[in-house]
Amino acid sequence: GENVEQHPSTLSVQEGDSAVIKCTYSDSASNYFPWYKQELGKRPQLIIDIRSNVGEKKDQRIAVTLNKTAKHFSLHITETQPEDSAVYFCAASKSYGQNFVFGPGTRLSVLP
Amino acid sequence: DAGITQSPRYKITETGRQVTLMCHQTWSHSYMFWYRQDLGHGLRLIYYSAAADITDKGEVPDGYVVSRSKTENFPLTLESATRSQTSVYFCASMGQMNTEAFFGQGTRLTVV
Repeated sequence: GENVEQHPSTLSVQEGDSAVIKCTYSDSASNYFPWYKQELGKRPQLIIDIRSNVGEKKDQRIAVTLNKTAKHFSLHITETQPEDSAVYFCAASKSYGQNFVFGPGTRLSVLP
Repeated sequence: DAGITQSPRYKITETGRQVTLMCHQTWSHSYMFWYRQDLGHGLRLIYYSAAADITDKGEVPDGYVVSRSKTENFPLTLESATRSQTSVYFCASMGQMNTEAFFGQGTRLTVV
């Protein structure tokens, strides 16, 4: 089955700096790669996703890149703000009724 | 109210007891998932369902049972609770594969 690894497990940045979180996946048939943000005590919520036919996607300060050959994808947050502090999860899945598997998460702390 | 809801929000049970966690969604989403979240392990998939009466095991299914007689409900049963099953449990639903997954608010289960 699919295995998703995520690095780093914790990340501290100064407010205004950029943050990058990287994930690798094992199943070359995976074609959907979402990122979820979970604030303390709350449920995970989708912040951005990318499909395998696209190499990069941006939404304001957030971008995701995908390298299918290397089987890795990354989340980039620019101009970080204190409200970006949370745990971020990457995930990978295939089109047909298979596992929707998450990475172990990255705890991002944005220091004022 | 539209959305996905879990009940109860908090539960304390004794070792060996059977306990059922409920999940209800109002969107008629085809896919539903159960995850457990433990510190250091992220979100681990227990079971998932592609439609009513179709369920399959995820990464950590041992000790759990699911059913899905109706599209909107996906209960998770711990047949004989153990302390290792103390965790936060999240239910999620997804309309079509590889679209946004929406999470319930979670159930914090403590087995004593």
